[in-house]
Amino acid sequence: AQRVTQPEKLLSVFKGAPVELKCNYSYSGSPELFWYVQYSRQRLQLLLRHISRESIKGFTADLNKGETSFHLKKPFAQEEDSAMYYCALSGAGGTSYGKLTFGQGTILTVHP
Amino acid sequence: KAGVTQTPRYLIKTRGQQVTLSCSPISGHRSVSWYQQTPGQGLQFLFEYFSETQRNKGNFPGRFSGRQFSNSRSEMNVSTLELGDSALYLCASSSPKDRARGGYTFGSGTRLTVV
Repeated sequence: AQRVTQPEKLLSVFKGAPVELKCNYSYSGSPELFWYVQYSRQRLQLLLRHISRESIKGFTADLNKGETSFHLKKPFAQEEDSAMYYCALSGAGGTSYGKLTFGQGTILTVHP
Repeated sequence: KAGVTQTPRYLIKTRGQQVTLSCSPISGHRSVSWYQQTPGQGLQFLFEYFSETQRNKGNFPGRFSGRQFSNSRSEMNVSTLELGDSALYLCASSSPKDRARGGYTFGSGTRLTVV
């Protein structure tokens, strides 16, 4: 079974402070991990994926297979980062077709 | 290009009724997935269709069904509605290339309220 856990429902930081949104997963195999973001009144959208090892809007995430974690980090938070963030996992093989397993989400609020 | 379009945006139904939701994927996308989003359970996978075939299914009762047409548009149906079916239903589409990158494009959803 695959599972994604985001331990923090709410996370508040001040502008300019570092932010880390935690994500842990459970999967027997090599998963693909993603972060999705939903800004107020907008659709759910892909933020970044572990395969690309890219930085989007200053956010990075490193897959740690030993700790089964995929934490999202940004060194200096901005007010426009305030949103709901979802960590998601896609497995391998036929059982993964079209299926993302989402964490419960973390609401990030960046205060001025 | 146009995004994923879901209709209607809002629905109010009575317990016991049935409902059909529609999703038009991005042009060229042949994979359509459906999710249920509730405050308690979060985002849960319902099923996925590709080229009119259901390839994957989540853990939902048989009251939840879907189909996909030759133009890739998809519908999901919920029969004998229960109060607990009240949720935001999201549709996502992808191409094989996008899927490999985790690039599912989501619609705005249909908000279903069962009274």
